[in-house]
Amino acid sequence: SQQGEEDPQALSIQEGENATMNCSYKTSINNLQWYRQNSGRGLVHLILIRSNEREKHSGRLRVTLDTSKKSSSLLITASRAADTASYFCATVRGNNAGNMLTFGGGTRLMVKP
Amino acid sequence: EAGVTQFPSHSVIEKGQTVTLRCDPISGHDNLYWYRRVMGKEIKFLLHFVKESKQDESGMPNNRFLAERTGGTYSTLKVQPAELEDSGVYFCASSPWTGGATDTQYFGPGTRLTVL
Repeated sequence: SQQGEEDPQALSIQEGENATMNCSYKTSINNLQWYRQNSGRGLVHLILIRSNEREKHSGRLRVTLDTSKKSSSLLITASRAADTASYFCATVRGNNAGNMLTFGGGTRLMVKP
Repeated sequence: EAGVTQFPSHSVIEKGQTVTLRCDPISGHDNLYWYRRVMGKEIKFLLHFVKESKQDESGMPNNRFLAERTGGTYSTLKVQPAELEDSGVYFCASSPWTGGATDTQYFGPGTRLTVL
């Protein structure tokens, strides 16, 4: 299995509801990042959480990191139709292993108006 | 400020042909990365340039893939000869050189490659 696996693979909610996506990884990390991809577009960086951080907020986004469980979650509160996209977690490994991102398979989020 | 641009946006070629993808990073960004997503799989790292030097090419699948970044500006990724399994979306990303693992990578829109 792959580093950075997202759960669920697909999520459909109504506008105004909260959306929670989870990510698991296998190796030690320097940081974990979440990206969004709208259809046909590039990946947009949303938020980065360092390995020594447990929670981070950015607007309607809340990210948690549990290094003991090697997992992270992304919560989008009060979702909007414009949040419809694919969301990916990506890790940067620790131990000076370089800055390459290791991605999970992504969660496809659909927010219905 | 212009973002990362990639050309072409789509390419359809036949097996055995050659294709060259181009990436123009954000001006001043020393780091340039190539990633790709083949059908049904995760986005995977291919290689990393710092200026014109290959810092890490551990993700390059085989010797049919050749990446260059002459002059440390734009980069090209050539696939020769292309195989069916090379079909997918090829992303380029760039980041400024601060030497840190927390540098945000800015992604281009990708090139969708279809090999028939």
